Parts: sequence; structure tokens; C-alpha cells
Amino acid sequence: EMQLVESGGNLVKPGRSLRLSCTTSGFTFGDYTVTWFRQAPGKGLEWVGFIRTKLYGETIDYAASVRGRFSISRDDSKSIAYLQMNSLKTEDTAVYYCARRDAYNHGDAFDIWGQGTMVTVSS
Amino acid sequence: YELTQPPSVTVSPGQTARITCSGDELSQQYGYWYQQKPGQAPMLVIYKDSERPSGIPERFSGSSSGTIVTLTISGVQAEDEADYYCQSADSSATYVVFGGGTKLTVL
Repeated sequence: EMQLVESGGNLVKPGRSLRLSCTTSGFTFGDYTVTWFRQAPGKGLEWVGFIRTKLYGETIDYAASVRGRFSISRDDSKSIAYLQMNSLKTEDTAVYYCARRDAYNHGDAFDIWGQGTMVTVSS
Repeated sequence: YELTQPPSVTVSPGQTARITCSGDELSQQYGYWYQQKPGQAPMLVIYKDSERPSGIPERFSGSSSGTIVTLTISGVQAEDEADYYCQSADSSATYVVFGGGTKLTVL
């Protein structure tokens, strides 16, 4: 079964850092772009950023709201992606999801999602 | 770049629900639709404007015309009650954007 599982969510104070992990199984991780999203309580989905495959130089793009504070990385040997979040703000409070971007069968759609991990930024 | 959806749509069981999504870049970029039920992760229901992933019921369909994409659910069932989000990309196909979501209520 193809799966993504997020972990690392927690309650943190403004200005602090947190690292989320996206552990995957059931597919060849290195063949897929991994994307991070978030959803603030009661709000809609927001794209955070993604990291492309080694074939595309592992290039990364970020949403303007997190650029310069968040960074995404991947370890293909472990089939894990990471979201490093620095200088956290209260408005970063959200459920964070990772998802697989499928260029092969679903036209760049985000076809498999993790269950999400909650990040709360509060003093 | 923005995608605009109606905040809510209400239908009776067995009726047809149509949810629209408008945005300038939709004339050049594909539209995608995700279903999200309370407490759950989003699930892909339509990709590339009108393609349906395996396992998604045939009552779900998508269409595109100009700068509008539409999700149609024919013969709506109670289990279809959820939030629906359209998604696309900017003109460079780099940045991902979502609509604000539409709450489908089945009364």
C-alpha cells in the first residue's frame, strides 16, 4: 500500500523552530516530487512548497508566505522528506500535510496524501 | 493568482451538484479537484480537468471551458457531503494555487 505519514507536529512558541518528517512507503520515493501543504483551523488548503526529484536537480519552490523561513529537503535512501520551519509565527498554526505529485499517471495531480500533523504556534 | 469557488452548494439526494472554479490561468493550466471530509486528508477526485482516478465513482465528472472548470456530481449521495477544492498552477506551472473551497451539503 502506498503511504505517506507525517510526524513531528507540536506546540511551539513564536520564533522557535520545528522539523516535520514525511515518511513514505509502497512506491519508489525517488521518482516523485514531494509537496507540503497546510490548512489553518477552519480554513482552506494552502500550498507550502515542493522538492523535485534528483532528475530535476532536487530543485525547490516555496510559497511567498514561507519563503526564507521554511526549507524542504529529502533523503531518497530513507524515503523521507522534511520540512524545516524556522522563525515560526502564530499564523503558521495549521495541520501540515505532505503529498506525492504524480506526473506519470495523474498529470501532476497530488494523488496520495498523508493524514497530517498539527503544528500550533502559541506563547 | 486566484481561483474562485462558491462558498457553498446545497442539493437533495439524487440531484446533480455543480461546483465551479474560475481563474484566468485555467485557460492554460489544468484544473484538479479534491474532496475533503471533516478530520480527513484531501482526496483527488478529478485530474487534468476531466479525468477520474481509479476508484472514484462515475458520478464524479469534470469539465473545462475557457477560464472555468466545473465539478459535476450526478445522483448525489449523502456520503458526498464534503468540502471540495479546485487546484491549478500559475502561468509558469510552478506555483500551486487552490480555490477557497466549496462546502457541499446534501439535505
